[in-house]
Parts: sequence; structure tokens; C-alpha cells
Amino acid sequence: ELKVEQNPLFLSMQEGKNYTIYCNYSTTSDRLYWYRQDPGKSLESLFVLLSNGAVKQEGRLMASLDTKARLSTLHITAAVHDLSATYFCAVTSGTYKYIFGTGTRLKVLA
Amino acid sequence: DVKVTQSSRYLVKRTGEKVFLECVQDMDHENMFWYRQDPGLGLRLIYFSYDVKMKEKGDIPEGYSVSREKKERFSLILESASTNQTSMYLCASRLRGLAPSYNEQFFGPGTRLTVL
Repeated sequence: ELKVEQNPLFLSMQEGKNYTIYCNYSTTSDRLYWYRQDPGKSLESLFVLLSNGAVKQEGRLMASLDTKARLSTLHITAAVHDLSATYFCAVTSGTYKYIFGTGTRLKVLA
Repeated sequence: DVKVTQSSRYLVKRTGEKVFLECVQDMDHENMFWYRQDPGLGLRLIYFSYDVKMKEKGDIPEGYSVSREKKERFSLILESASTNQTSMYLCASRLRGLAPSYNEQFFGPGTRLTVL
């Protein structure tokens, strides 16, 4: 059974600091997604990673994928308050199934 | 822009009531999904529809049914609501996947359902 684990589950960080969220999955998958969710809102797609070594960047967020290690990272550079949200990773299993991690709740303190 | 809408943002129902949650997408996507989201559990797939009138059970289909009579609309039905179905319900849609498509899902705003 495919499982996805994220850590940390909660992250409180100061503005201007860097940090990394980790996403491990248990069996092979050909694509990995990162989503952002603001409180009371739906999921917003951030990144789609398709191959080993893939790296994507958008503003202060950078996502990477290591399929051999079954690991994706979401790196936050010089955090700002607006990045406070819950971040989810998800992998596909088969043709239609997506397995989501439990989410990382990020709080950036001024 | 893909738009996925859900009929209600908040809903309060009583135990035993039949509940309908509606989802509509405007981008001619073949595939549609219903998830529930609970704290500490992430998103769990309830049902999936790969085309009109076609459906597949997800991981937690018990107590739910679905209907897809038109391509743009996917309904989730709670036949007899129970308190353990209090949750956030999220609908999503995507194009049918063809390599190298990345099958990105687009989510609706969610319906927070409370069953008393």
C-alpha cells in the first residue's frame, strides 16, 4: 500500500529564515504534487514534479524530487508571513488515485 | 482558468437526513473526484468518476454514493447522514491523462458539512 509521510507536521519559523519540508513515499510513483491550502480554503496547486532530479521554483518556494530515495523536498527561502499555510504533497498510484500526505502546517512569525 | 464550484460552503444537517453535495467544473474535464479532509488524515478519496455515468469506489466509499449524469457535474450523496460524516468535502477534476500529461487536479472551494 502506498503511503506518504510528511515532516514536520507543524512548523513555526521566523521571517527571513530558511526551512525544508520533507515528503517521503513508500513505493514508486511517476509524479509528485505539492499543494498549498489556506485556512478554510481549498487546495491550490504549487508544483508538479515528473522525473528524478526535477526541480521547480516559484518565488521563495523550491521543490525537488529524488525518485530513488522516494523523497521530495519543499524548500522555503527567506520566509515571509504570506507563506503561512498548510502544505500537502501527493503522489499518484495507478491511473486515478492520489495519495496525500497529512500536511505540514507552516506558521511564519513576524 | 479551470473553475470548480461546489454548491455550498457550509452545510448543517441532522442525523439520518439525505444530503446532496454538488460539484460543477467548466473545463470539460473527463475525470472528477470527491475527497473528504479531516485533521491529521489528509485527503481521502471517496469516489472517482472517469466519465459520464462511470464511477469507481475510492478508499472510503461506505455511507456515500455518487451520480454523474452530465460531464460537468458530479454529485456526492450521503444516504443517511451520520455524525462521523462531519468533515470538509472537496471536489476535484482533471483531464483524462495521456503521457506526458501530468494529470493535475483542480480543486473546488470545499463544503464544510456538520451533521448534528
